[in-house]
Amino acid sequence: AQSVTQLGSHVSVSEGALVLLRCNYSSSVPPYLFWYVQYPNQGLQLLLKYTTGATLVKGINGFEAEFKKSETSFHLTKPSAHMSDAAEYFCAVSDMKTSYDKVIFGPGTSLSVIP
Amino acid sequence: DTEVTQTPKHLVMGMTNKKSLKCEQHMGHRAMYWYKQKAKKPPELMFVYSYEKLSINESVPSRFSPECPNSSLLNLHLHALQPEDSALYLCASSPLGSGNTGELFFGEGSRLTVL
Repeated sequence: AQSVTQLGSHVSVSEGALVLLRCNYSSSVPPYLFWYVQYPNQGLQLLLKYTTGATLVKGINGFEAEFKKSETSFHLTKPSAHMSDAAEYFCAVSDMKTSYDKVIFGPGTSLSVIP
Repeated sequence: DTEVTQTPKHLVMGMTNKKSLKCEQHMGHRAMYWYKQKAKKPPELMFVYSYEKLSINESVPSRFSPECPNSSLLNLHLHALQPEDSALYLCASSPLGSGNTGELFFGEGSRLTVL
């Protein structure tokens, strides 16, 4: 069965510092991987996704993530944090070969940005 | 701007009331989803409609009744809810077929409070 773990339920960074949010997954087949962001009182918005091809994926708002099959990881990074990045971040995985209807979400990481 | 529109944004109801949540998308997506989200938690899948037919019901209590009148609309009928059903209800859609990567397009949610 697929699962997603996110190390750290809460991460604090200073404005201008590197953002690193960790995501590891388990899947019996190569998955599709996603990062979603949720601002307060809003729905989820896709930041970026990995399906096939280049393992370094660039997304919106300066975020990027690298798919490392050997480590079963898909960590999210941003070189310089902005105050507007404060939000909840969810890593997710879908297994298109067995269940296209189901997306498995990680528990989420709340990012705080300190001025 | 989200292309999945949910109404109402906020709903307060008593345990004996009947109300409905509505969701609309015009992206031509043939899969639509209802998720329930508690604070600081990931979305929990409730129902999936594929080609206007219910394909997944995640053992949701019968006081929640989904309906998909056409490929653009999704409703969630609520009756005799409990206070623990208070949550953010998210609608999402995705394409099916060759265009499907598992990416979900979310609405901004309906915040439900049951008194």
